[in-house]
Amino acid sequence: ELKVEQNPLFLSMQEGKNYTIYCNYSTTSDRLYWYRQDPGKSLESLFVLLSNGAVKQEGRLMASLDTKARLSTLHITAAVHDLSATYFCAVDDNQGGKLIFGQGTELSVKP
Amino acid sequence: SAVISQKPSRDICQRGTSLTIQCQVDSQVTMMFWYRQQPGQSLTLIATANQGSEATYESGFVIDKFPISRPNLTFSTLTVSNMSPEDSSIYLCSVARGNQETQYFGPGTRLLVL
Repeated sequence: ELKVEQNPLFLSMQEGKNYTIYCNYSTTSDRLYWYRQDPGKSLESLFVLLSNGAVKQEGRLMASLDTKARLSTLHITAAVHDLSATYFCAVDDNQGGKLIFGQGTELSVKP
Repeated sequence: SAVISQKPSRDICQRGTSLTIQCQVDSQVTMMFWYRQQPGQSLTLIATANQGSEATYESGFVIDKFPISRPNLTFSTLTVSNMSPEDSSIYLCSVARGNQETQYFGPGTRLLVL
């Protein structure tokens, strides 16, 4: 059974600092997703990572995937308040598109 | 991307009643899914809505409690039957055009059962 674990679950950052969120998963998968959720809102797709060594960047966020280690990272560079949200990683279970979600990381960026 | 709408956006219901949630997509999609997000929690897949056949349910979810319809490639419904306060959650539909595609999520339906 595929399990997905994120850490940390809560992250309080100062503006301008860098930090990394980790996503570990237990079995082989072809695809890993990162989503953002603002309070009271739905999920916004950030990245889809499809292969070992994949790296994608959008603004201050960069995601990478190491399929051998079954690990993905979401790196935040020079955080700003607008990045405050909950970030989820989700792994494709290789069963027709079924996604298994991590617990989510609640990020708070303070001035 | 895909534009997804859900109705209703929120509702307050009495225990023992049922609520049907609609999910409409602006274009044909192969795959549609229904997820539940309990307060402060992550997302859990309820079922995969298959067009023209029965939905495929995940462990812990059954058709009698969560009947699903998928009459065409742009529409699906999820019914939450005989509701109890434990069913209070956000229910989200998601879509993907194929296995290699991003899954996009609808805005969600916020359900409170009293």
